[in-house]
Amino acid sequence: GENVEQHPSTLSVQEGDSAVIKCTYSDSASNYFPWYKQELGKGPQLIIDIRSNVGEKKDQRIAVTLNKTAKHFSLHITETQPEDSAVYFCAATNDYKLSFGAGTTVTVRA
Amino acid sequence: EAGVTQFPSHSVIEKGQTVTLRCDPISGHDNLYWYRRVMGKEIKFLLHFVKESKQDESGMPNNRFLAERTGGTYSTLKVQPAELEDSGVYFCASSQRVGHATFGPGTRLLVL
Repeated sequence: GENVEQHPSTLSVQEGDSAVIKCTYSDSASNYFPWYKQELGKGPQLIIDIRSNVGEKKDQRIAVTLNKTAKHFSLHITETQPEDSAVYFCAATNDYKLSFGAGTTVTVRA
Repeated sequence: EAGVTQFPSHSVIEKGQTVTLRCDPISGHDNLYWYRRVMGKEIKFLLHFVKESKQDESGMPNNRFLAERTGGTYSTLKVQPAELEDSGVYFCASSQRVGHATFGPGTRLLVL
């Protein structure tokens, strides 16, 4: 099955700085890579996703890059704000079954 | 539209007891999924329903876990008897088509 590794497990950044979270996956058949944000007491919410036929996707302050050859994908958050503090999960799939990374706890310091 | 709802939000039970978790998916979503996050590890797939049919229950840990979706609407996940290692957060998700799942807030289960 698919194995997704996510780094770092915790990330503390100064407000206004950038945050980068990296994931690797093992199954070359995976073709859909969503990123979820989980705030305290809530469930994971989809914030951005990318498909295997695209190398990069951007939505305001967040962007995701995908390197299919290396089986790497990354989440970039620019100009971080306190409300970006949360747990972020990467995932990979080629059907309905999402394989998640272990999560990154992001803390934005004011 | 209303989101995915789960009940209860928290449950504390003793080892050996039974607990039933409920999930109400977004109306019209035929696909319903259960996931679990144990001890701060990754979120793991448990099973997938399409309407009332179990499409894939390969992630169910053992036969102490039973999921149902009678009538193709809400779903229940029963753990009987509960063990200490069953503690974690149980998420339900739903989608209209495969993928793009919307997650519920989760049920935090603690087995003492």
